[in-house]
Parts: sequence; C-alpha cells; structure tokens
Amino acid sequence: DTGVSQDPRHKITKRGQNVTFRCDPISEHNRLYWYRQTLGQGPEFLTYFQNEAQLEKSRLLSDRFSAERPKGSFSTLEIQRTEQGDSAMYLCASSFDRVVTGELFFGEGSRLTVL
Amino acid sequence: KNEVEQSPQNLTAQEGEFITINCSYSVGISALHWLQQHPGGGIVSLFMLSSGKKKHGRLIATINIQEKHSSLHITASHPRDSAVYICAVKKKGGGGSQGNLIFGKGTKLSVKP
Repeated sequence: DTGVSQDPRHKITKRGQNVTFRCDPISEHNRLYWYRQTLGQGPEFLTYFQNEAQLEKSRLLSDRFSAERPKGSFSTLEIQRTEQGDSAMYLCASSFDRVVTGELFFGEGSRLTVL
Repeated sequence: KNEVEQSPQNLTAQEGEFITINCSYSVGISALHWLQQHPGGGIVSLFMLSSGKKKHGRLIATINIQEKHSSLHITASHPRDSAVYICAVKKKGGGGSQGNLIFGKGTKLSVKP
C-alpha cells in the first residue's frame, strides 16, 4: 500500500453535470476525511467517516454534495448539478484513530474545473 | 477573525537561512498539525503535536498550549523546501467536532539558491 490515492486527478466538466470522485485510503485506516481547497486558501473540512459511518458534515456540504463509504474502505464524493463555484481541489485524507488522534495522510487531490 | 492565523503569508529566504513560520489559534485544541503542500496540490503531514517540541531532520515544531501558539522552524533551508506550509488544529471536544480540522491559509515559502 503506497498511501492515499484519489481518482481522477483532474476533472473538467460543464455546469450542470454530475461528477464523482473516489478516494482509496490506507488500508488499515478507520477514518476518512474530505476537504475542499480553493486557490490561495487553506483546505476546508467537508465531511468525515469512521469506518462506514458518516459522523460529521460541514454546512459547506450542500444538498448537491453526497459522500459515501459503503464498506468502510474506499469513499466517493459526488457533486450533482455542478456550479462554477464548485471549482476547487478536493482532498481526501485518512488516519487510524483509537484513543489517540492519529496522523493524517493526504491524497494528491482531485482538481475540479467547472466551465 | 479566523480561528487559525499564520504569519507571514509569504516568505522568501536565501539558501542556508534559518526560517520560522508562526501559527496562532483561538480555540481549545487536542492536536496541531503542520503540513507541507507542494505545487500540484499534494499535502504531506510533517508533524502532529499536542505539547512540547518535535524534530525531524532539519525541521523543528514547537507548541505553547498556554499561549495558543506554534512555530515551525527550518534550519539550513534549501530550495527544495519551497512549498506552502499549513497549520491545522483539531478542536477539543467530543461528538461532532472529532473530525473537524481547522486550517490556516498557509505560508508560501520560497528559498532562493
């Protein structure tokens, strides 16, 4: 296992289309996080999973956004009816948390451009 | 005011210089992360700390919980250290705040040969 992988790395789409991003975390990691980063800004939290349970969602995650982690392994982030404001880098990270907060490992990100 | 503030926003240094990047936060935290982001987007975790000091190679991270402040130091800087350095904190508290990291906007470091 070489780390967290994200697919696709780049996606260009037209406004109104749906897009889906996939994240494969490090295999033994129980927590998986999604963040969004726009140019010149730090990442912003979107949502996170502990195993297959989605435990927290940011108010940034409008009803056009949905995330799943069906078997507690890989996760998908879908954006429906994309808008130009959705253009950003979507970052996935994973960690192994028990009693102590684990170190975060990030993927390379999926860059979305909405035309 | 952002809950996590970094300074400076941009930093240019000559190769070999000692570099300090600062992070101040206004909330109770359980952990603080220093992250490195290269052009193209990939983020690497450098340190996670909740007290004291950690060292890894030429990088040193310190945290003062009472003052709500952390610093990242780079000794003998090199052009390959050029990147954006991001401070992120994990808010203290149970329940819904477990997953929510709050990020600073980053410090863009450029080290000239």
